[in-house]
Amino acid sequence: NAGVTQTPKFRILKIGQSMTLQCTQDMNHNYMYWYRQDPGMGLKLIYYSVGAGITDKGEVPNGYNVSRSTTEDFPLRLELAAPSQTSVYFCASSLPGTGGPGDQPQHFGDGTRLSIL
Amino acid sequence: DAKTTQPPSMDCAEGRAANLPCNHSTISGNEYVYWYRQIHSQGPQYIIHGLKNNETNEMASLIITEDRKSSTLILPHATLRDTAVYYCIVRVARSQGNLIFGKGTKLSVKP
Repeated sequence: NAGVTQTPKFRILKIGQSMTLQCTQDMNHNYMYWYRQDPGMGLKLIYYSVGAGITDKGEVPNGYNVSRSTTEDFPLRLELAAPSQTSVYFCASSLPGTGGPGDQPQHFGDGTRLSIL
Repeated sequence: DAKTTQPPSMDCAEGRAANLPCNHSTISGNEYVYWYRQIHSQGPQYIIHGLKNNETNEMASLIITEDRKSSTLILPHATLRDTAVYYCIVRVARSQGNLIFGKGTKLSVKP
């Protein structure tokens, strides 16, 4: 079982460039999430999705976009990279819970380390 | 929003029980307590969660006080591989439903 797979593992971007961080899960989870983690800090939610075609903003959505065309994939797009977006990005997925997103344990990928210079 | 307070760091001897405390005095009745951990350079890993009863699984035990204002995660026989940052999280009861990861407790298991 692969679980949650993120690509690439590392990337360096120049200011103003764009890129897409890929996330795929093979557990048939309806809910998927994108977090960022700055050095020495906890995780902050960027966007989440409760199913194909449905996405919603988290705490820190500015500068990012997402789409969810299939259950398996939840890519995160940076349109105009800025130094403040240097971070480690984690994708996660979970089953639906009776209380809504975040109710069930989340399974995380190993992250994408992104530097913007 | 219910917030959590954890000590920034703790040490534990290998083979001994590690008891990690968490204060969540503003927790509301329908909010669960979750514990995750993050080993260096890896994604967070789910450990255990509970509402009001004590819970146990193959990784750990979770003890929640009767008033639900605090909890303790117990790793019964800590190993060097348990060295990690441990996050105590209370699910925010909003439509967003996001998990709030604070700074956690850095547990160092020493030989």
